This record gives sequence, structure tokens and C-alpha cells, in this order.
Amino acid sequence: GAVVSQHPSRVICKSGTSVKIECRSLDFQATTMFWYRQFPKKSLMLMATSNEGSKATYEQGVEKDKFLINHASLTLSTLTVTSAHPEDSSFYICSAKILLAGEVDTQYFGPGTRLTVL
Amino acid sequence: GQNIDQPTEMTATEGAIVQINCTYQTSGFNGLFWYQQHAGEAPTFLSYNVLDGLEEKGRFSSFLSRSKGYSYLLLKELQMKDSASYLCAPMDSNYQLIWGAGTKLIIKP
Repeated sequence: GAVVSQHPSRVICKSGTSVKIECRSLDFQATTMFWYRQFPKKSLMLMATSNEGSKATYEQGVEKDKFLINHASLTLSTLTVTSAHPEDSSFYICSAKILLAGEVDTQYFGPGTRLTVL
Repeated sequence: GQNIDQPTEMTATEGAIVQINCTYQTSGFNGLFWYQQHAGEAPTFLSYNVLDGLEEKGRFSSFLSRSKGYSYLLLKELQMKDSASYLCAPMDSNYQLIWGAGTKLIIKP
């Protein structure tokens, strides 16, 4: 079954508003979560690494004041897209680094959130 | 720099076998992951290789040659539901996954 949930799955908002996306690891503690965005037919682009209890590490070119990440607990990380614009429309996917029995630390992905900014 | 090379698209027939190749260059190496991604969905974990050789998991097998910077994913007894993109993702010295654009696999009846 799924080990990572993400909410909402789809969101449509007006330009200038803020949108919060939640990523939860189910039944597992994830000290590290990742946020990606993906454009159609393109590869995953890592936006930031979120560590529980500390500030997120953003990739080069990603505006930390625009994409606010909070990792308040071992099972929840949130991404807030502030003052969204149409160019922020994308597929946002979170993943959690989880060690399952007998396996290596592996990233398990949430189902993704499709954001459309009008 | 870091680089992943996979074919953009492949076509195979239902019931057949297909091999998706991946060559990579990374700063350090801590294993290689294969993920499956259906259109409009997030990736799902398929396999992990860190030592040379073949890892078999049901209909899917993954091979790694570290000296050649090469891996492949082998899919047997193809089913229509296997139509998806397959992402090869090596992990670099910082334990960060490096993502390519993936291989779109089209299965025909």
C-alpha cells in the first residue's frame, strides 16, 4: 500500500493567491522529505530537501521565499506556493526517504499535486 | 558534470521482453534506482542496485555494471499496464538522486 500521501491531488487557484500542499508519510517516520516539480514530458526537478526540525535546503534557482517549506514533524512536510502565477502551474511531487525492512533508504513518492494557476 | 542517458521512447509487443538501457556519469556513486511512472502519476519504486550483477524481482530484473556506468531494466511477459515511463536514477556521493527524462515504453497488442 501507499507509504506517502499528498493533499490536495488537484488545485486550481487565481493568480496572486497562495496554495499549501501537504505531504505525509504514513506509518513511517521520515526525517528527510523531498519536493519536486515536473513539467509535461520532462524529468523530475528537485526543488528542495526538507529535514525535520530544520530549514529546508533549496536547489539553485528555486526561490525560498516563494516556495515555503515546513517540516514540522517526522510525518508531515508542507510546501506553500506564495503569490502563485500561471508559470507556477506544474505537477508537484513529494517523496519521503524511508528505510523499509530489508531494503535500502529509498525515496517513496506521494501521488503528486497538479497545480493550475489561472 | 552529472548525466543520464536513456532512450527517449521504445515500443514492444504484449507478451514480449524489452530491455531499457541506461548509462550514467555521476560525482561518486551510491547505487542506482529504477522507477516506473505512469502518465500523470508520481514515480513508483521498482528496484535498487548497488553491486554489480542482476537483481530479479518477478517480471522485472535490473542489472548494474559500475565500471561501465551502465544499467538496464529488463521487463518480461509484457502487459499493457507496463506502458509507462521508466526512470533510471543513480545516487551520487551526496546520496542525491540524479534524474533523467526517462524512457517512454509503449506496449502494443
